[in-house]
Amino acid sequence: GAGVSQSPSNKVTEKGKDVELRCDPISGHTALYWYRQSLGQGLEFLIYFQGNSAPDKSGLPSDRFSAERTGGSVSTLTIQRTQQEDSAVYLCASSVGGSADTQYFGPGTRLTVL
Amino acid sequence: QKEVEQNSGPLSVPEGAIASLNCTYSDRGSQSFFWYRQYSGKSPELIMSIYSNGDKEDGRFTAQLNKASQYVSLLIRDSQPSDSATYLCAVNIWRDDKIIFGKGTRLHILP
Repeated sequence: GAGVSQSPSNKVTEKGKDVELRCDPISGHTALYWYRQSLGQGLEFLIYFQGNSAPDKSGLPSDRFSAERTGGSVSTLTIQRTQQEDSAVYLCASSVGGSADTQYFGPGTRLTVL
Repeated sequence: QKEVEQNSGPLSVPEGAIASLNCTYSDRGSQSFFWYRQYSGKSPELIMSIYSNGDKEDGRFTAQLNKASQYVSLLIRDSQPSDSATYLCAVNIWRDDKIIFGKGTRLHILP
């Protein structure tokens, strides 16, 4: 079956522009996670969805970051007024249920803010 | 206290030897433990999951869990150059229903 997909794979934008990153989880997976990984660093948790609800938004670094999930499937992470420090790889993962289940990662979106 | 701790490495191991990767965690209520491998420029991929005390073997990989001591380890037997990667330990935090990833240990297998 298809794995987690993310688009675009690469995004180059200018400082101050808004960007949208998309994640399509594995079919039937109710939980969806967004992470950020800067070069040579560990995974930084951003937000977690269970169905369409986001019980944990604690990792969003600022109010420029928002995310939504519709139909219990596709999720979009939006970054407004991008800054150079937003440059990173944004990873999406999905799991069947909650935190006790294995997460499967997508290939990531590499965001570069000039 | 950090919730999931790993030695960042790099850990250098000769080809054919056993690589031992360790991880400690702080939440005594944790129930699920995962080891992921991440090659440079790639996304993490699951190596093993373990839920019960003791050892779990899968091919050249063995995960060991000791809940009383709050550590989980990954042994890689007959290490190969292709095992060179960063290994991430992940633990579920039961009270918050979330997964916490360690920062990873860089493993380098010397040919």
